[in-house]
Amino acid sequence: DTAVSQTPKYLVTQMGNDKSIKCEQNLGHDTMYWYKQDSKKFLKIMFSYNNKELIINETVPNRFSPKSPDKAHLNLHINSLELGDSAVYFCASSRDRVLAGGLSSSYNEQFFGPGTRLTVL
Amino acid sequence: AQTVTQSQPEMSVQEAETVTLSCTYDTSENNYYLFWYKQPPSRQMILVIRQEAYKQQNATENRFSVNFQKAAKSFSLKISDSQLGDTAMYFCALNTGNQFYFGTGTSLTVIP
Repeated sequence: DTAVSQTPKYLVTQMGNDKSIKCEQNLGHDTMYWYKQDSKKFLKIMFSYNNKELIINETVPNRFSPKSPDKAHLNLHINSLELGDSAVYFCASSRDRVLAGGLSSSYNEQFFGPGTRLTVL
Repeated sequence: AQTVTQSQPEMSVQEAETVTLSCTYDTSENNYYLFWYKQPPSRQMILVIRQEAYKQQNATENRFSVNFQKAAKSFSLKISDSQLGDTAMYFCALNTGNQFYFGTGTSLTVIP
């Protein structure tokens, strides 16, 4: 049973096209993320959603728009694709930390999807 | 601001030997988590080990252990008895609240 799934795993498209990447998690987590990993393997946070609400929106072009229909899904839409958008995109999820007496009572690691390799020609 | 620094872009180790990957971080939070993730050529991000900041005892998972020095803000990963399957990118990560901060990664190659 896949915890965090992404579709498609590979996406090859022409410049100027619009594409979407879907992400679903079946872990009951409240927070979902999108990361971009470039050719140098740097992981850069793009967006973070908590219970369907945007909480992090790093400096990414307006062409990128996340959509969260429910807290189990966070899809990424990309308009007018450019060559520089070629990268691996990772979806991830984590649960909210529960504070008990000032200390976290549960681990809060991120679970990652398998990644989507996007190639823009 | 939170930062995570991995100063070793590439490392190599002979099979069965021990290697230590460095990570330093900066945060003003008192309550946070630290993680090491592994990314093999398959590109799947896999959690290797985790550490709660308020726990003094270093975390251990089989051949993987950490040296957590809170005052120095250091969180190194030691891999014992290195195996060929340990060849991967390793990322150090800091979690505060619902935000995660990743280092730039260390590419580890295990040499047969």
